[in-house]
Amino acid sequence: NAGVTQTPKFRILKIGQSMTLQCAQDMNHNYMYWYRQDPGMGLKLIYYSVGAGITDKGEVPNGYNVSRSTTEDFPLRLELAAPSQTSVYFCASSFEDRAVYGYTFGSGTRLTVV
Amino acid sequence: DQQVKQNSPSLSVQEGRISILNCDYTNSMFDYFLWYKKYPAEGPTFLISISSIKDKNEDGRFTVFLNKSAKHLSLHIVPSQPGDSAVYFCAARNTGNQFYFGTGTSLTVIP
Repeated sequence: NAGVTQTPKFRILKIGQSMTLQCAQDMNHNYMYWYRQDPGMGLKLIYYSVGAGITDKGEVPNGYNVSRSTTEDFPLRLELAAPSQTSVYFCASSFEDRAVYGYTFGSGTRLTVV
Repeated sequence: DQQVKQNSPSLSVQEGRISILNCDYTNSMFDYFLWYKKYPAEGPTFLISISSIKDKNEDGRFTVFLNKSAKHLSLHIVPSQPGDSAVYFCAARNTGNQFYFGTGTSLTVIP
């Protein structure tokens, strides 16, 4: 039972480079989320999706893009990486009506922009 | 603007004693509160939740208390075990189904 799988686990990017953080879940969850966690801070919502083809902005969407072409996958795209995007990124998923029972999180991607 | 605050970055407790982790919030419209536990190099895992219409929820060694008038919730772990050593996050849901997370409290249970 894989749950939520994130790749890569670690990445160093140079300023101005682009990359895609991958997230896949095998639980048939309709809701998926991307969070970032900066040192000493709580998790902040970047984007979320309530189903295939539907995405919406969270609290800190600037500098990111997402797509949801399938129920299973929810990639996060960073264009023109900046040092302010150095963070740990977590993908999560849930059934919409069970969100109050908690999300299932991936193990995170630690990104450093230099 | 941090709507959910955990003012204690760390807490140390002896094994077998009670651990009390605290969380304060500012938005009176939050309707659900959750606690997550996070080990290093792993994602957070759901621990326990409470609805705003309740003041207590218990699950084994874990109990969450909610004081709506004070906008305060707490997580009690009794008895504490070394395996409970982790970072604990509280989270609160607003009416838009969006969760806001606290900054976390690192709990160390000393054997």
